Amino acid sequence: NFMLTQPHSVSESPGKTVTISCTGSSGSIASNYVQWYQQRPGSAPTTVIYEDNQRPSGVPDRFSGSIDSSSNSASLTISGLKTEDEADYYCQSFDSNNWVFGGGTKLTVL
Amino acid sequence: EVQLVESGGGLVQPGGSLRLSCAASGFTFSSYDMHWVRQATGKGLEWVSAIGTAGDTYYPGSVRGRFTISRENAKNSLYLQMNSLRAGDTAVYYCARRVRGGYYMDVWGKGTTVTVPS
Repeated sequence: NFMLTQPHSVSESPGKTVTISCTGSSGSIASNYVQWYQQRPGSAPTTVIYEDNQRPSGVPDRFSGSIDSSSNSASLTISGLKTEDEADYYCQSFDSNNWVFGGGTKLTVL
Repeated sequence: EVQLVESGGGLVQPGGSLRLSCAASGFTFSSYDMHWVRQATGKGLEWVSAIGTAGDTYYPGSVRGRFTISRENAKNSLYLQMNSLRAGDTAVYYCARRVRGGYYMDVWGKGTTVTVPS
């Protein structure tokens, strides 16, 4: 079964840049689009990146996504970190009619 | 306003059944694929099921044969029938809309909690 692996947690200071990785277990992560969701405590997820690198309206351009085929991974980069960015982030993709989420990464902004 | 509201969660004994509902409003429900996604306390998101506009259904191995997703377009409603419940099914269950033509979920409900004691 296709799996997506994320680091359990990352931390960085306000104003800095952080990158969260999402590595595919098999095949090519570039074969299907990768999305990123933000989830704050007690709330439902919201999309911050879709189709590898697209931002929904209302998501600041501090959020960006990319794919690295050589490492079979996707990345979410958040620049100019704000305390409000502190949340859990999940990558998601699609494989043979299965929707797959990564295990999630807790971002701490301190 | 586009909205999804889940209901039907509760406490159920192992081996029991429960039916979740999701009421959709603010959009043409029949035109969208819909999903159920769950999250155990302190854990990550887990995709549970999906149903297409034509009624085609999809499940991961963890729930296939025990859970059944369905929809009633006339009532703008999505359902999840859960049978043979286990402690591992304890979670918040979210209803989510798949964006048209894309591979992500763009609208989520607030969730309903299912508890199956061990």
